[in-house]
Amino acid sequence: EVQLLESGGGLVQPGGSLRLSCAASGFTFRSYGMSWVRQAPGKGLEWVSATTGGGDSTYYADSVKGRFTISRDNSKNTLYLQMNSLRAEDTAVYYCAKTLEWIAARPGDYWGQGILVTVSS
Amino acid sequence: EIVMTQSPATLSVSPGERATLSCRASQSVSSNLAWYQQKPGQAPRLLIYGASTRATGVPARFSGSGSVTEFTLTISSLQSEDFAIYYCQQYNNWPPWTFGQGTKVEIK
Repeated sequence: EVQLLESGGGLVQPGGSLRLSCAASGFTFRSYGMSWVRQAPGKGLEWVSATTGGGDSTYYADSVKGRFTISRDNSKNTLYLQMNSLRAEDTAVYYCAKTLEWIAARPGDYWGQGILVTVSS
Repeated sequence: EIVMTQSPATLSVSPGERATLSCRASQSVSSNLAWYQQKPGQAPRLLIYGASTRATGVPARFSGSGSVTEFTLTISSLQSEDFAIYYCQQYNNWPPWTFGQGTKVEIK
């Protein structure tokens, strides 16, 4: 059974940093692209970042480029999102998602339960 | 960036009836279109990809159609568990994935 479990969320002040983790199990982690998608309270879905199965290629939404860094440790079956210079508008539930194939551009067929990040003073 | 527009914003349907949801892309996305279902407090669930391919475990009452810029998700006979928000997503011109704003299917 595929499982994705996010952790690392919480309350942070504007300008602060957080690192989200997504622990994966139930599939060959290194063989699939992974993405982060967020959802602000009461709003729709916004793609944030993605990486290929090998982690050699990474992609970012313009809204987070230069502030967020996606990475993965295939030996630990874990995906990360390092979030720096956080802003109030980054407040959202963050989901990690496994993509259908090794490349990152495919849809997410399994999603974690989500983790809340709140940016507020 | 491709803009995805869903209609209607809210669809009121009685259980057992058919529901038809629309999604329009601002430019061609070929057949690189997915549909997701999201229930309150839950993560999105992939229903359809490639415009018409059902994801693993998705009931046959869900079907997708369309190509280029016009797409439809049809739920042939609504069950109580189908009342949710549905999002379309394009993955043709990537990055970024772009999502529609969602269609809420509610009980009439």
